[in-house]
Amino acid sequence: KAGVTQTPRYLIKTRGQQVTLSCSPISGHRSVSWYQQTPGQGLQFLFEYFSETQRNKGNFPGRFSGRQFSNSRSEMNVSTLELGDSALYLCASSLEEVQYFGPGTRLLVL
Amino acid sequence: QKEVEQDPGPLSVPEGAIVSLNCTYSNSAFQYFMWYRQYSRKGPELLMYTYSSGNKEDGRFTAQVDKSSKYISLFIRDSQPSDSATYLCAMVGGNTGFQKLVFGTGTRLLVSP
Repeated sequence: KAGVTQTPRYLIKTRGQQVTLSCSPISGHRSVSWYQQTPGQGLQFLFEYFSETQRNKGNFPGRFSGRQFSNSRSEMNVSTLELGDSALYLCASSLEEVQYFGPGTRLLVL
Repeated sequence: QKEVEQDPGPLSVPEGAIVSLNCTYSNSAFQYFMWYRQYSRKGPELLMYTYSSGNKEDGRFTAQVDKSSKYISLFIRDSQPSDSATYLCAMVGGNTGFQKLVFGTGTRLLVSP
């Protein structure tokens, strides 16, 4: 079974721009979660979607948003990028409690 | 105080050594406990997950959970250079819901040949 896929793998943006990241979950998984990983803060939960509805949300500003489509694929969007948004953004899909991660999208904000 | 504490390391051991990685947590509502391995510039890979207190073994890996002490461990037997990676503990459940994993900071392990 194919794993979680994320696109793009690498991205360079400038401050003030916006970015959209995409995630395709493992087939049959309906829950998709997003995490931000930085050297200073580690892995932090952004939000989780299930059946196209946001079910849980972390402590990030409203510039971070997401959505999920009927085929369970998910996107996250960051508007008005700041230097501190440079990070590895990870998507995870799950059937129950165990989450399986994709390779991540590495975002660099200049 | 963080909900999950994990020594960042690095932990350096010779090949063949037994490695012990540990996490402590403060939220007694956590119900599921996981260990992930992350190689540099890759996503975390699930190694083990447990629900109850006690030991769970899978090959060279043993996960141990002590809910009374709020302490979990991952043991790696006969460590190999390919085990060199960052090991992350993660927990979920209770009042944080079953979708929001709470991670430790990760322990960097270096296994030398």
